[in-house]
Amino acid sequence: GAGVSQSPSNKVTEKGKDVELRCDPISGHTALYWYRQSLGQGLEFLIYFQGNSAPDKSGLPSDRFSAERTGGSVSTLTIQRTQQEDSAVYLCASSLVLAETQYFGPGTRLLVL
Amino acid sequence: AQSVTQLDSHVSVSEGTPVLLRCNYSSSYSPSLFWYVQHPNKGLQLLLKYTSAATLVKGINGFEAEFKKSETSFHLTKPSAHMSDAAEYFCVVTPRLTSGTYKYIFGTGTRLKVLA
Repeated sequence: GAGVSQSPSNKVTEKGKDVELRCDPISGHTALYWYRQSLGQGLEFLIYFQGNSAPDKSGLPSDRFSAERTGGSVSTLTIQRTQQEDSAVYLCASSLVLAETQYFGPGTRLLVL
Repeated sequence: AQSVTQLDSHVSVSEGTPVLLRCNYSSSYSPSLFWYVQHPNKGLQLLLKYTSAATLVKGINGFEAEFKKSETSFHLTKPSAHMSDAAEYFCVVTPRLTSGTYKYIFGTGTRLKVLA
């Protein structure tokens, strides 16, 4: 595709529900990254994938967060039992190879009521 | 520990005057360094990157940054600010750790305001 796409663009959910956020990277990009941007704060790095593998999951905020990538392409970030503090914009980026220029998607704005 | 510090959360300049956005980093290894820009309600866009080829890096829209290892700095500059430069700017360091994994550390951002 022309760029990184994310869906949904906006998500409102109730506390305690699970949500799944999707990221479609640029075709051919081997590396994929997830970030969280909370209101008034910088970007918090969550996890990256090299191919389908995530070698370091220590950036995930809690065990309620998980991410997977299949087929070296689409990735999903799942948040279980959402809490109000999970409200943020979740950004996905991809790069041709690891540690190279990242191209960001428009983000998913998550609001937990 | 790896970290990046953007020294100013807000910077205001008049249109046509120079811009200086400061960034200092801490890394045990020679990292790659980036500057990204985020315009209101738009996605993050790469301005420029340093990957050890040259210490003075030129980016888009007239921005440039100089890598100074002795000062562990990577300040972003532009000779003459334009109204369209008003945005939030992020300095990013990507050290490779001994484990072979990477970290992607964003600064807290500097909001640039350009006054007419």
